[in-house]
Amino acid sequence: TQLLEQSPQFLSIQEGENLTVYCNSSSVFSSLQWYRQEPGEGPVLLVTVVTGGEVKKLKRLTFQFGDARKDSSLHITAAQTGDTGLYLCAGDDQAGTALIFGKGTTLSVSS
Amino acid sequence: KAGVTQTPRYLIKTRGQQVTLSCSPISGHRSVSWYQQTPGQGLQFLFEYFSETQRNKGNFPGRFSGRQFSNSRSEMNVSTLELGDSALYLCASSLGGLAGEETQYFGPGTRLLVL
Repeated sequence: TQLLEQSPQFLSIQEGENLTVYCNSSSVFSSLQWYRQEPGEGPVLLVTVVTGGEVKKLKRLTFQFGDARKDSSLHITAAQTGDTGLYLCAGDDQAGTALIFGKGTTLSVSS
Repeated sequence: KAGVTQTPRYLIKTRGQQVTLSCSPISGHRSVSWYQQTPGQGLQFLFEYFSETQRNKGNFPGRFSGRQFSNSRSEMNVSTLELGDSALYLCASSLGGLAGEETQYFGPGTRLLVL
């Protein structure tokens, strides 16, 4: 069974701090995606990482895919209150047509 | 372009009843997937439809069913509701390629409360 474990489950920080969220699995994934979900809305795709060792940057967000394609991390530099939300990692299942999600990291950034 | 729409947004039912949720995908998208989101289990895959055919199914009991129409709109039905079915039900649409390689566009969800 493919599982994705995210840590930490909750994170509460002050504006301006840096943070890292982790997504780990014992299974190899062909790609991993990161989503952000805000209250009352569905998840929105932030990035897809495909190649082992790949690093992608999206403004203050840096995403990394592990060399073995079993793990990924999301690093946020100088967090802002607008970064508050639920961060989810997801990988495709063995059939390739569904996503397996981690349980998410709830981030709260206060001013 | 218009996003994924789900109706209704909120629903309250009692145990034993059945419920039908609707999802209209982005125009041109042929794949619709359904997910259940709860605080304890997170997002779990229910099923995926492509061109009116169920292409993939998650590990949920037969009380959960779905269908897709020729215009790609999809419905899911839950019969004999249980308290544990209380959740946010999300649908996602895409062009229909590999889920991990293309963007899944999620709707805002239907929040179902079973009393």
